Amino acid sequence: GQNIDQPTEMTATEGAIVQINCTYQTSGFNGLFWYQQHAGEAPTFLSYNVLDGLEEKGRFSSFLSRSKGYSYLLLKELQMKDSASYLCAVRVFYNYGQNFVFGPGTRLSALP
Amino acid sequence: DTGVSQDPRHKITKRGQNVTFRCDPISEHNRLYWYRQTLGQGPEFLTYFQNEAQLEKSRLLSDRFSAERPKGSFSTLEIQRTEQGDSAMYLCASSPRGVSQPQHFGDGTRLSIL
Repeated sequence: GQNIDQPTEMTATEGAIVQINCTYQTSGFNGLFWYQQHAGEAPTFLSYNVLDGLEEKGRFSSFLSRSKGYSYLLLKELQMKDSASYLCAVRVFYNYGQNFVFGPGTRLSALP
Repeated sequence: DTGVSQDPRHKITKRGQNVTFRCDPISEHNRLYWYRQTLGQGPEFLTYFQNEAQLEKSRLLSDRFSAERPKGSFSTLEIQRTEQGDSAMYLCASSPRGVSQPQHFGDGTRLSIL
């Protein structure tokens, strides 16, 4: 089966550094994506990892360890507008197509 | 790039009725996905098209659900004989070719079953 785990909720203070973890057990792994979703809105793409290591994009970084089935999203200098759900998604390949398996999301609240 | 468009934004219907949703992907995107999302959960995969071919369909999907993408452009998702448990946000996403290409999501259709 395909399974992705994330913490349900996190809270941090404005200006802090926040790490959101994601662990996965999937077959046919072919990349891991992070999305941000504000309440009532569509998910928007943040980052992508397919090889082990760290990818940095401004205040957001994402890390992947394929051998451990583990990823994290790092948010630096937390801002109030970062309050949202953060979704970890694994792309899996099948014989003829592909699928994206999403985790339950981590609801992050930024406090002043 | 006008983004992924979904119609309607909201649908309220009585149990047992049929509903159909439409998705217009970003024009140059050949891949199209349908997801269902309930409150506090991540999107749950329903089906995937590459051009007009439906290549994947979730085993969780009962035969009350059907999707089409007749000319490889827009897609429709139909739910027959709706049930209370079908109440959810239905999201459409599209992506271009390329393994590193992310999905672009529409704003979704919120379905409420009375």
